[in-house]
Amino acid sequence: GDSVTQTEGLVTLTEGLPVMLNCTYQSTYSPFLFWYVQHLNEAPKLLLKSFTDNKRPEHQGFHATLHKSSSSFHLQKSSAQLSDSALYYCALSPRNSNNRIFFGDGTQLVVKP
Amino acid sequence: DPKIIQKPKYLVAVTGSEKILICEQYLGHNAMYWYRQSAKKPLEFMFSYSYQKLMDNQTASSRFQPQSSKKNHLDLQITALKPDDSATYFCASSQEGGLFNSGNTLYFGEGSRLIVV
Repeated sequence: GDSVTQTEGLVTLTEGLPVMLNCTYQSTYSPFLFWYVQHLNEAPKLLLKSFTDNKRPEHQGFHATLHKSSSSFHLQKSSAQLSDSALYYCALSPRNSNNRIFFGDGTQLVVKP
Repeated sequence: DPKIIQKPKYLVAVTGSEKILICEQYLGHNAMYWYRQSAKKPLEFMFSYSYQKLMDNQTASSRFQPQSSKKNHLDLQITALKPDDSATYFCASSQEGGLFNSGNTLYFGEGSRLIVV
């Protein structure tokens, strides 16, 4: 079946340090991968998504690289900001799926001064 | 202005009662969805509709019934409410939602927070 695994439920780090949130996936068909971000009391919104070619998606300083060999799509940022504190979901959409998107359990990122 | 409107934003209901959650989108999208977010399961797919037709259903209980009166409407009727139904229900939409998935982005409404007492 199709699934997404985010191993960290909570990541706490100091402002200015690098961010890496893990995401691995399992899918029968080569899927689309996404990162969604949800700030407190807001709706989830797209942060970035994988491209079909080898481009590395980037947005607001975040980037993620799709590694098919390891089935991973880790989210990275070189320097965390206080405003990055939020819940981050890795998500997968199999290509044969009626655009259904499977979300991981989410990783809560807390950035401290 | 929000492009996906959900009503009500907050709702307290009595166990055993019935409620309808309203969703309208003004993005011109052809596909609409319902997701549920609770402490037990962070963001859980429930239903997807494309051109007003049910495409996918992940909800086990028949107490949850989506209703699409117009292409840009997808309401969610919940009957015989239980405390376990307490959650935030998010409506979402995407440009397309058919069999030929092209990785469309989901756009979420602000959610309807339901508490069942």
